[in-house]
Parts: sequence; C-alpha cells; structure tokens
Amino acid sequence: NAGVTQTPKFQVLKTGQSMTLQCAQDMNHEYMSWYRQDPGMGLRLIHYSVGAGITDQGEVPNGYNVSRSTTEDFPLRLLSAAPSQTSVYFCASSQTRGKFYGYTFGSGTRLTVV
Amino acid sequence: KQEVTQIPAALSVPEGENLVLNCSFTDSAIYNLQWFRQDPGKGLTSLLLIQSSQREQTSGRLNASLDKSSGRSTLYIAASQPGDSATYLCAVRTGANNLFFGTGTRLTVIP
Repeated sequence: NAGVTQTPKFQVLKTGQSMTLQCAQDMNHEYMSWYRQDPGMGLRLIHYSVGAGITDQGEVPNGYNVSRSTTEDFPLRLLSAAPSQTSVYFCASSQTRGKFYGYTFGSGTRLTVV
Repeated sequence: KQEVTQIPAALSVPEGENLVLNCSFTDSAIYNLQWFRQDPGKGLTSLLLIQSSQREQTSGRLNASLDKSSGRSTLYIAASQPGDSATYLCAVRTGANNLFFGTGTRLTVIP
C-alpha cells in the first residue's frame, strides 16, 4: 500500500545513546517533515524538507538532525538522547506542486529515553 | 506565531447524536485546514481538507466548515456511532507548507 512507513514502531534508549528514526514514502512527495507528539501539547514540528538536498528547522529542532539525500527517505537522527526526547514521533509528507491533497502521516515511533 | 485551539478537550455523547467539534486559529493567513482522526496508539488519518477559498467540505457523515476571516472551523458529525470514538485534531497549513496543530478533542460515543 502506498503511504508513509516509519521504523521502528517502538524504541527504548539510554541517556546519551544515538539512534536514527527512519521514514520512507512512495508517493513521490516533495515535502516531508517530522513531528513530535507530547501529552497536552499537540504535535510540534521538528524539521522539514521541501525536496532532496533541502532541509530546514521547525519549532523544536534542538537535539535532532535530518538529511534528505533522496525524495523517498527522510531520516531523523537523535545525536545524544535525553529523557526530554521521550515522545511519539510522526513523519508526514505531501506534494507541493499542482493540486494539494493534504498531508499523509506515518503510524509513528514511540521512543522512551531512560 | 500561529496558535490553534480546540474546544472541548473531551466530549461524551450517546450513540445517534449529532455533534460539533470546534477549532480556532489566531492567524487567518492560512492556505488550508485539515481535520484528522487519531485512534489510541495509532497514527493520524486524514478526514477532510478545506482549502482557504472554500467554506465547507463533506465526506459521508462528516461536514467541515471554515470561516477564515474569523479564524474558526467546525467539524460536524451526524448520527454518531461507537466507532467514531477517537481523538480529532485540526491543523492549519501556513505559507512555509508547515502544519500547526490543535491539542485535539477526545470523543467518546456511548452505545
């Protein structure tokens, strides 16, 4: 099925460890983004990309890195995990050319940092 | 900065009732507004997308309206069913192609 695929679904990290959350889409969307969802705060934008080779910061970028080497993939890297990064992470994509059909979200990665 | 508010935070209704969920945003310079549904522990499922030039969109028992000048949108659900129980999120898209989300309304439909 076409859509946004996120891996892993669950992850437990120790403080200071690094890891990469994977996101892939097969809809040839130019725009991809990462959000975190915390109780009572809604989803907040971490980083986004409008195309391969182009990335930019969102509302809460500190502690996270991204790169976009292909249209399909947009990995999110945690450099040195902290308990404050315990959250549910969602990847989303959309097209930016032609008619806009809205955003498609992945099923999320639940991350716990101990 | 765009702020999105959803009222009420939680709502319980008996099966069969019609209901309205509210969403307000502070900056009317939006491209569109999208309503999502989120089931516990799951991702977001898109329900309706309203472009800034539109007043409403309908899909089955769902109807979403948009009043851009006053910064408001409503999601109307007709003849509610227990399967409608979920959290409903609204999000507005700004010029940078980014979404700003409300904190959601948690709906429970009682059989």
